[in-house]
Amino acid sequence: QKEVEQDPGPLSVPEGAIVSLNCTYSNSAFQYFMWYRQYSRKGPELLMYTYSSGNKEDGRFTAQVDKSSKYISLFIRDSQPSDSATYLCAMTPILTGGGNKLTFGTGTQLKVEL
Amino acid sequence: NAGVMQNPRHLVRRRGQEARLRCSPVKGHSHVYWYRQLPEEGLKFMVYLQKENIIDESGMPKERFSAEFPKEGPSILRIQQVVRGDSAAYFCASSPVSGTRDRGITDTQYFGPGTRLTVL
Repeated sequence: QKEVEQDPGPLSVPEGAIVSLNCTYSNSAFQYFMWYRQYSRKGPELLMYTYSSGNKEDGRFTAQVDKSSKYISLFIRDSQPSDSATYLCAMTPILTGGGNKLTFGTGTQLKVEL
Repeated sequence: NAGVMQNPRHLVRRRGQEARLRCSPVKGHSHVYWYRQLPEEGLKFMVYLQKENIIDESGMPKERFSAEFPKEGPSILRIQQVVRGDSAAYFCASSPVSGTRDRGITDTQYFGPGTRLTVL
């Protein structure tokens, strides 16, 4: 079993739809949760990060963490064609030493259609 | 304000050759991470380096792979005697500081555009 599970999609939605992207994880040590967006042939770009449980909102994006269920979500409101990309969840525990190596999901490919 | 630079962007090697991938972190960043992305898989951590030191190489294959981050110059990921299974996208990320547990703050990792290695 992978430490982080993410539905690879593809997920296709019409412009303006609300998109829900999700990851589940098995390692209860994970404390920091991130969402990255990756356009084709590009490097990942950090969208949002949250610490422990709760919600965080930034513009059209909302990140949710439910540590009791080991489940995280990213919601995109009023989706745009420019949101078409692969969305990667990533997480890391509080480490005892230096550094924060990230554990990634496989990514969900999203396509927003006109 | 340059971000993380990686070169070459594309690298083709024949089996048995050596591959050298370079990463120049964001100016002022002294922490570098390397990740590998295989087709249909997520990014996998390989190694974490600070200037002149390897801090965590738990994700590195035991043989043929090595990494360095010298005092001057870019970080280098070196793959000796490449095999077809090494074909992947290799991403470098840099951050300004390591995680700070007592303040509950973690560093942000900024990723480069990646080097796509193809082994023929």
